[in-house]
Amino acid sequence: GNSVTQMEGPVTLSEEAFLTINCTYTATGYPSLFWYVQYPGEGLQLLLKATKADDKGSNKGFEATYRKETTSFHLEKGSVQVSDSAVYFCALKGGNEKLTFGTGTRLTIIP
Amino acid sequence: DAGVIQSPRHEVTEMGQEVTLRCKPISGHDYLFWYRQTMMRGLELLIYFNNNVPIDDSGMPEDRFSAKMPNASFSTLKIQPSEPRDSAVYFCASSLVWASGGPDEQFFGPGTRLTVL
Repeated sequence: GNSVTQMEGPVTLSEEAFLTINCTYTATGYPSLFWYVQYPGEGLQLLLKATKADDKGSNKGFEATYRKETTSFHLEKGSVQVSDSAVYFCALKGGNEKLTFGTGTRLTIIP
Repeated sequence: DAGVIQSPRHEVTEMGQEVTLRCKPISGHDYLFWYRQTMMRGLELLIYFNNNVPIDDSGMPEDRFSAKMPNASFSTLKIQPSEPRDSAVYFCASSLVWASGGPDEQFFGPGTRLTVL
């Protein structure tokens, strides 16, 4: 079946540091890949997505590239801000209609 | 658009009581999903509907849980009787149909935090 493995948290960084949150997946066929973000007290919201190999999703300074050869979709940001503190979820959508989520990575940015 | 609306935002009840959670999806969306989030198990899909019809309820933990979608603008998730292990945040999400079929981006509601004492 489909599965998503993402970097264990929590992750704590200083403001303006470089961020990488690793995500790898297992799926049959050609899934679509997503990063969702959950701010405190809120529901998840889509951050970015990529629907085919070598696609790069980007939004709010975050980027992730769909790497089929390494089955990865790592999230990166060049300079994080305090407002980026949240929980980040990697997810995939395979042949069925359901999203498969990773366990989430809690990110805290300190000024 | 108001987004996905869930009520109540917080619910505290005693073991054995019936609990009903409510969701209003975004108008025009074809899919509706119910999720449960806990520290131990993360985010779990309980059930989802397409055009008001339940498609997959394999994530519903047991017979105490039931979900309905009587029309395109309303869904309920009911737990009867509730137990302390049901304490979690319950999210509703909705989506349009993707161009290639299946659900597109899911829009989540703010969640209902359920505490069963």
